[in-house]
Amino acid sequence: GNSVTQMEGPVTLSEEAFLTINCTYTATGYPSLFWYVQYPGEGLQLLLKATKADDKGSNKGFEATYRKETTSFHLEKGSVQVSDSAVYFCALSDRGSQGNLIFGKGTKLSVKP
Amino acid sequence: DAGVIQSPRHEVTEMGQEVTLRCKPISGHDYLFWYRQTMMRGLELLIYFNNNVPIDDSGMPEDRFSAKMPNASFSTLKIQPSEPRDSAVYFCASSPPGGGFNQPQHFGDGTRLSIL
Repeated sequence: GNSVTQMEGPVTLSEEAFLTINCTYTATGYPSLFWYVQYPGEGLQLLLKATKADDKGSNKGFEATYRKETTSFHLEKGSVQVSDSAVYFCALSDRGSQGNLIFGKGTKLSVKP
Repeated sequence: DAGVIQSPRHEVTEMGQEVTLRCKPISGHDYLFWYRQTMMRGLELLIYFNNNVPIDDSGMPEDRFSAKMPNASFSTLKIQPSEPRDSAVYFCASSPPGGGFNQPQHFGDGTRLSIL
């Protein structure tokens, strides 16, 4: 079945450090891939998405590239801020799922000033 | 635009009581999802609807849980009787029409449920 695997957290970085959160997936066919972010006390928000191989999703300085050959969708940001502290979820959706998302377990990021 | 609205935001009740969680999806969205989030299990899909019809309820933990969507603008998740292990944050999400798999889900702020 479909699945998403994210790197274990928590991740603690200093402000302006480079961020990578690894995400790999298992799916039949060609899924769409998403990163969601959850700030404390809130629901998940879409951060970025990519719908086909080699697409790059980007938003708020975050980027992720859909790599079919490595079945990966790693999240990166060149310079993190304290306000980026949150939990990040990688997710996939395939054509047979009618919009159902398969989420990874989430990675908690803490950015220190 | 109004987002997904959930009520109540917090609920504290005693074991054995009936609990009803409510959700109003974004207008025009035809998919509605109920999730449960705990530290131990992470984010779990409980059930989802398309055009008010339940599509997959395989994530509903047991018969104590039930969900309804009587119309396009309202859904409920009910737990009867409630147990302490049901304590969690429950999220509702909706997504627009168009096949689903390319569409992001829009989440409410959740209901934090504590069963004593």
